[in-house]
Amino acid sequence: EIVLTQSPGTLPLSPGERATLSCRASQSVSSSYLAWYQQKPGQAPRLLIYGASSRATGIPDRFSGSGSGTDFTLTISRLEPEDFAVYYCQQYGTSSWTFGQGTKVEIK
Amino acid sequence: EVQLVESGGGLVQPGGSLRLSCAASGFTFSYYAMSWVRQAPGKGLEWVSYISSSGNTIYYADSVKGRFTISRDNAKNSLYLQLNSLRAEDTAVYYCTRLMTGFLPFDYWGQGTLVTVSS
Repeated sequence: EIVLTQSPGTLPLSPGERATLSCRASQSVSSSYLAWYQQKPGQAPRLLIYGASSRATGIPDRFSGSGSGTDFTLTISRLEPEDFAVYYCQQYGTSSWTFGQGTKVEIK
Repeated sequence: EVQLVESGGGLVQPGGSLRLSCAASGFTFSYYAMSWVRQAPGKGLEWVSYISSSGNTIYYADSVKGRFTISRDNAKNSLYLQLNSLRAEDTAVYYCTRLMTGFLPFDYWGQGTLVTVSS
């Protein structure tokens, strides 16, 4: 099973700043099958990025994804107040899906 | 508008059973694979089970294999998860999700239903 490790665990930033979230896989992941989600308290997760770099429907262009192989990144170019949340990376491989443990982006 | 509405959660004793349902609307249900994903209180996300659009292909996480059964009724636009031999560690919010064709992320999520396993 592929293990996804996200860093940092918590990211304190101010509105307007740039956020860079990392997701590292224990073995190579197909870029086609790497996704990112946002979850706010009391809400279901929301798909942000799929295929490592494609934005899901309705996702603002301040969210971008990149990476390949074992290292993937989610970047939020300028944090808006509504972007403070927990972010998860996720991969599909060989009949199973796994998530990273999450990165909490909090207000500094 | 795509909607996924879960039901059937509740409090159950260890060793007990529960059946979760998910009513889908706003899309052609029979075209899409579906999954259940769970989240223990204060914890991260864990994929539980997958079923193909036809129901012919099914996968389970090792943590639930042999205890949980996923199924679907395309005529009723519904997804199900039968939970047997429940353990305290199965306590979680269970989300019904739709899989995007091709790239296979979970592109739509229900609001979740809470399953609490406790004596």
